[in-house]
Amino acid sequence: AQSVTQLDSHVSVSEGTPVLLRCNYSSSYSPSLFWYVQHPNKGLQLLLKYTSAATLVKGINGFEAEFKKSETSFHLTKPSAHMSDAAEYFCVVSDNGAAGNKLTFGGGTRVLVKP
Amino acid sequence: ETGVTQTPRHLVMGMTNKKSLKCEQHLGHNAMYWYKQSAKKPLELMFVYSLEERVENNSVPSRFSPECPNSSHLFLHLHTLQPEDSALYLCASSQELASGYEQYFGPGTRLTVT
Repeated sequence: AQSVTQLDSHVSVSEGTPVLLRCNYSSSYSPSLFWYVQHPNKGLQLLLKYTSAATLVKGINGFEAEFKKSETSFHLTKPSAHMSDAAEYFCVVSDNGAAGNKLTFGGGTRVLVKP
Repeated sequence: ETGVTQTPRHLVMGMTNKKSLKCEQHLGHNAMYWYKQSAKKPLELMFVYSLEERVENNSVPSRFSPECPNSSHLFLHLHTLQPEDSALYLCASSQELASGYEQYFGPGTRLTVT
C-alpha cells in the first residue's frame, strides 16, 4: 500500500523569499515520486520526478526536491518565489511494486505569493 | 500545452441527460487514465486503459462508462448523473503503464450536474 501526506494545506510566502512544501510518503516498495503543479482552471503539470537515481532532483521553473529515504520525505523547495508560482502543488507516489502505473496523490498545498 | 486535449472544457447537464467527455493525446502514449477532482478531496483515479484495454476500474458507479477506441482517444460517457458528480474530470496519458512513467494531464472538463 502507498500513501502521501502533504503537511501543509496552505503556504503563504512573500515574493523573492524561499518556498518549502513538505511531503511525506509511505510505500511498500521503492517508490517513484513526483511533484505536479496546478494553476487555476488548468490541468496538472509535472514539475519534477524521482525514480531511484540522484536523490536531489531538479525540475522546471527553479524547483527542486530531495528524496530522503530515512525520513520518507520528498520536500519541494525553491530559493526565490515568483508571483507566477501561486498555484496548488501535489506530491504524488507511484509504487513500483504494484501492478501498473497507479499514482496516489497528496491532498495538495495551495501556495499564495504576496508582493 | 502537455499534448493532451479535452473537450468540452465546461459542461452543465441535468440529471436525466446523456453526455460524453472526450480526451485525445498526441504523444504516442500507450496508457490513458480518467481522474475525478472534487473540491476538498484528493484526485481519484477512475479508469485505466493500456493499449485500448481497460485494466482498472476503481469501483466507479455504472453511470460512468469509459470507452477507448484506439490508443489516442478516450471517452467518458455520462448518464443519469447525480449532483455529487459535479467535479473537474481530468484525462492523463503515460508512455507505458509501468510504474515510474510520468503522466501528462489534459486541462480537464469542469462538469456541473443540476
